[in-house]
Amino acid sequence: DQQVKQNSPSLSVQEGRISILNCDYTNSMFDYFLWYKKYPAEGPTFLISISSIKDKNEDGRFTVFLNKSAKHLSLHIVPSQPGDSAVYFCAAKTSGTYKYIFGTGTRLKVLA
Amino acid sequence: DAEITQSPRHKITETGRQVTLACHQTWNHNNMFWYRQDLGHGLRLIHYSYGVQDTNKGEVSDGYSVSRSNTEDLPLTLESAASSQTSVYFCASSNSNQPQHFGDGTRLSIL
Repeated sequence: DQQVKQNSPSLSVQEGRISILNCDYTNSMFDYFLWYKKYPAEGPTFLISISSIKDKNEDGRFTVFLNKSAKHLSLHIVPSQPGDSAVYFCAAKTSGTYKYIFGTGTRLKVLA
Repeated sequence: DAEITQSPRHKITETGRQVTLACHQTWNHNNMFWYRQDLGHGLRLIHYSYGVQDTNKGEVSDGYSVSRSNTEDLPLTLESAASSQTSVYFCASSNSNQPQHFGDGTRLSIL
């Protein structure tokens, strides 16, 4: 049973516009969430995180929003750039463990 | 600079053979993880370790084993390779609650 879901396998956005990637989870015990970016033939790289005590975290062009009541996480990229084209994974964990559950990924394509 | 290295980057083998994938990290991290990435499944945890001599099963551990004899290395062994184990394998490491650092993966094909 998939505890972390990314229901959009792919997304295309024009350069300069906003990209919104979504992630839903089922386990209310998750307390820490991450987003990773992955380019072809490379490992995932950490992008941004958020703790369950917050509802927003910003880092430059990247903002993550957490809606605990809806069990929903989103990543906003503004403005989107062609170099942002990659697969994005969300991941979640519970307290007391260091292992994460990953979503299936969303492939973002930013069109120049 | 600290890093995490996987070898080989590509491997082709036959069903029934034993295969070992290497993972070496110089971050001095206590936690190490092995994942496989398959289309439609994302990253699934195979095994993980929180320190030397500690190993734990993840969600897709059948047919795989690991051992942790030192901090730096967590080799992944496929005891008897099956075609269903054709995948891209990623190793990762972390300390406590910090985000995991990933290697660049091993693409394994089992014919």
